[in-house]
Amino acid sequence: QVQLVQSGAEVKNPGSSVKVSCKASGGTFSSYPISWVRQAPGHGLEWMGGIIPIYGTGDYAQKFQGRVTITTDESTNIVYMDLSSLRFEDTAVYYCARECSGGGCFGAFDIWGQGTVVTVSS
Amino acid sequence: DIQMTQSPSTLSASVGDRVTITCRASQTISSWLAWYQQKPGKAPKFLIYKASSLESGVPSRFSGSGSGTEFTLTISSLQPDDFATYYCQQYNSSSRTFGQGTKVEIK
Repeated sequence: QVQLVQSGAEVKNPGSSVKVSCKASGGTFSSYPISWVRQAPGHGLEWMGGIIPIYGTGDYAQKFQGRVTITTDESTNIVYMDLSSLRFEDTAVYYCARECSGGGCFGAFDIWGQGTVVTVSS
Repeated sequence: DIQMTQSPSTLSASVGDRVTITCRASQTISSWLAWYQQKPGKAPKFLIYKASSLESGVPSRFSGSGSGTEFTLTISSLQPDDFATYYCQQYNSSSRTFGQGTKVEIK
């Protein structure tokens, strides 16, 4: 069973960038879309964008257009999320999640990473 | 973007109660709706897809219904492990969106 393993917690200054990784363990995800979802403290889930690794083109929520870049390294089964121009309100847990492939569930997220805490602080 | 609105925001219930959570979409999404359960400090857990299809391994006390713009998640007999926050998510649009969540707490 595929697991998604994310990189560790980050503390960043406002205005800087953060790059979070998501590695598939126990399998590959080349044909499965991978999305990034974040959750600010005490708040709900927010979809940021996604990528289909074999195609390599990201699709982003309008809110994050121009600030987020999702890329993939198929040779290592890793998907990256790069968020730039960080603000205090970007402090959140960032999750990667795999879209499921079964009939009728393509677009829902069946496997999630453990989450990466990103803190933006001066 | 399609807006998803859940109600109530918080629900107080007892073990054994039947619990229903509603999710409304700002435009029709057919049956392209999923439900998740999240506990504090944990990643969401996938429960239901296509509005009413139970993910493998999810207890049968969970069920989903609806189509178009109005959906429900029902827990037929609330168990201690079910106290958590529940989210709906639409995947009709390539820009996925979630509801704001419903916290199910102990009465």
